[in-house]
Amino acid sequence: DIQMTQSPSSLSASVGDRVTITCRASQNIYRYLNWYQQKPGKAPNLLIFAASSLQSGVPSRFSGSGSGTDFTLTINSLQPEDFATYYCQQSYSTPFTFGPGTKVDVK
Amino acid sequence: QVQLQESGPGLLKSSETLFLSCIVSGDSMSGHYWNWIRQPPGKGLEWIGYIYPTGAVNYNPSLESRVTISIDTSKNEFSLKLTSVTAADTAMYYCARERVAARPGGQFDYWGQGTLVTVSS
Repeated sequence: DIQMTQSPSSLSASVGDRVTITCRASQNIYRYLNWYQQKPGKAPNLLIFAASSLQSGVPSRFSGSGSGTDFTLTINSLQPEDFATYYCQQSYSTPFTFGPGTKVDVK
Repeated sequence: QVQLQESGPGLLKSSETLFLSCIVSGDSMSGHYWNWIRQPPGKGLEWIGYIYPTGAVNYNPSLESRVTISIDTSKNEFSLKLTSVTAADTAMYYCARERVAARPGGQFDYWGQGTLVTVSS
């Protein structure tokens, strides 16, 4: 199985901040990397697919980058509705695997 | 608007068999892979497996000996069967659609709201 790690595991930020979350894969997954946002009691929501493609309806303040084993999710100008947990997920091979999550909370 | 809705028993006893269904509305099941994903309380996400309308399946090896996913396109429904459950199977279970049919796939663009399954000993 491909192991996914994320850093940090949690961070505190303020509205308007730029937030960066890092994801690393245990092997080369090219650009088969997706990002999800999950709020308490809700299902995850696809934000970014194929490392940098913005899912329809997702605000442009979200962006993704990277390839190979190292990837980044950036949120420009954090909004109140962005406080949530973020997961990366590899879709290069089955079993599809997720990172442990990064919780973004209010500073 | 695509919608997925899970249904099934909320409480099971250890060693019993879990059956969950996912009803899909607002979309044809053809041309997409349909997945089950679970999340233990307070923990991360685990992919269980997928099925294509042809019946082709792929399971997580960690669960493969206990999992069966089936589909009934006439009812716009797919199902999960998990045998010999234990407390470790306690989780929120989600059904989800893959964005595209091209492989390797694995981009989950529509999810059900989830159904909590608790296994008691």
